[in-house]
Amino acid sequence: SYELTQPPSVSVSPGQTASITCSGDKLGDKYACWYQQKPGQSPVLVIHQDNKRPSGIPERFSGSNSGNTATLTISGTQAMDEADYYCQAWDSSTAEFGGGTKLTVL
Amino acid sequence: QVTLRESGPALVNPTQTLTLTCTLSGFSLSTGGMCVSWIRQPPGKALEWLALIDGHDDKYYSTSLKTRLTISKDTSKNQVVLTMTNMDPVDTATYYCAGGIMITFAGVFVLDRFDYWGQGTPVTVSS
Repeated sequence: SYELTQPPSVSVSPGQTASITCSGDKLGDKYACWYQQKPGQSPVLVIHQDNKRPSGIPERFSGSNSGNTATLTISGTQAMDEADYYCQAWDSSTAEFGGGTKLTVL
Repeated sequence: QVTLRESGPALVNPTQTLTLTCTLSGFSLSTGGMCVSWIRQPPGKALEWLALIDGHDDKYYSTSLKTRLTISKDTSKNQVVLTMTNMDPVDTATYYCAGGIMITFAGVFVLDRFDYWGQGTPVTVSS
């Protein structure tokens, strides 16, 4: 089955830029999504089709996808952005999630 | 307003079959591009996709779990049902249903995104 690999954790200072990567074979040939999950809550879509933001998602969230790596970038990171982030892609008629990255804002 | 609500047993005995229901409000599977999936999350662990059904009644399953899963829909009741056979303690998790969109990409029908998620229902497998 298709595998997506994320770093377990990323730390960032408030106001700085956080980058979370997601690696998979030829991931750039597929669409990547990103979901944010805060403790005790359901996931929320923050990026789809590599770089599209759903309505209501702040402009500081952006995405890119090329080669084998998709990247979620959070500019001007705020304390409220501290959460787990999961990438997701569709391959061979199955959906796959990455292992998740815990973003710490400190 | 769109809501998805999961329901089912909180406790299941090992080897039993789990049946979960996702009731949709403000979201319909009568259109081909719409879809509903089941996704689970063991305590402290990552999301794991299980199954998806779309408006055409096409069904897609996790490669590793497909022999144990069945997904179906009742459009008249606006419900999607997942059954998972031969439950084991490792299946203990919060089970989510999520509503999303399928699109055509590079000539293939693919999942685009999950826009809506239920609150999740916790399931413990134990005797």
